Amino acid sequence: DSGVTQTPKHLITATGQRVTLRCSPRSGDLSVYWYQQSLDQGLQFLIQYYNGEERAKGNILERFSAQQFPDLHSELNLSSLELGDSALYFCASSVGPSPDEQYFGPGTRLTVT
Amino acid sequence: GQSLEQPSEVTAVEGAIVQINCTYQTSGFYGLSWYQQHDGGAPTFLSYNALDGLEETGRFSSFLSRSDSYGYLLLQELQMKDSASYFCASRKEDSNYQLIWGAGTKLIIKP
Repeated sequence: DSGVTQTPKHLITATGQRVTLRCSPRSGDLSVYWYQQSLDQGLQFLIQYYNGEERAKGNILERFSAQQFPDLHSELNLSSLELGDSALYFCASSVGPSPDEQYFGPGTRLTVT
Repeated sequence: GQSLEQPSEVTAVEGAIVQINCTYQTSGFYGLSWYQQHDGGAPTFLSYNALDGLEETGRFSSFLSRSDSYGYLLLQELQMKDSASYFCASRKEDSNYQLIWGAGTKLIIKP
């Protein structure tokens, strides 16, 4: 158990819908990272927040957005969902802004039908 | 451009030793991280090498050579539970806040 929690564990929704994925970092960690992993693919970095501020952005679609709240939990919002958005979404956290040592949550498996 | 290259698959026998290599091309290199991911599971941090040399943590060791732009993960006394994918990662060239990931090496362990 890494100490990072993610909810929900599974999510099944229809195309065109909007969902929100939630992440709580390890106690004391100030950075949160979001990743997408499609079946048998590598990790695609989406976005990073450090202490409430966006610090890095990957190839995140305009339909996706995220934020980190004052209590340091983070939410990833996915809208106008497409079949291709079906994937595992991981949240990770680290103590400071440096990304070298990240601790991952169990992931949210999103299925878009 | 920046890249990390690792073999797609490595096969080894239970109880043996295996080395998973990672070569990188990047400027402004900080260090090399290693992560393990079991099928359907989350990545788990294994090690981070900022300096040249070998770092040992139990059955796993990680090595870095900055002059050769090369690192490896060494797994000893292989167990069936070590069957997983292993990823090397390094900071993105123009960002201190993002990792670039290798494509991963699938380690298959045979009894």
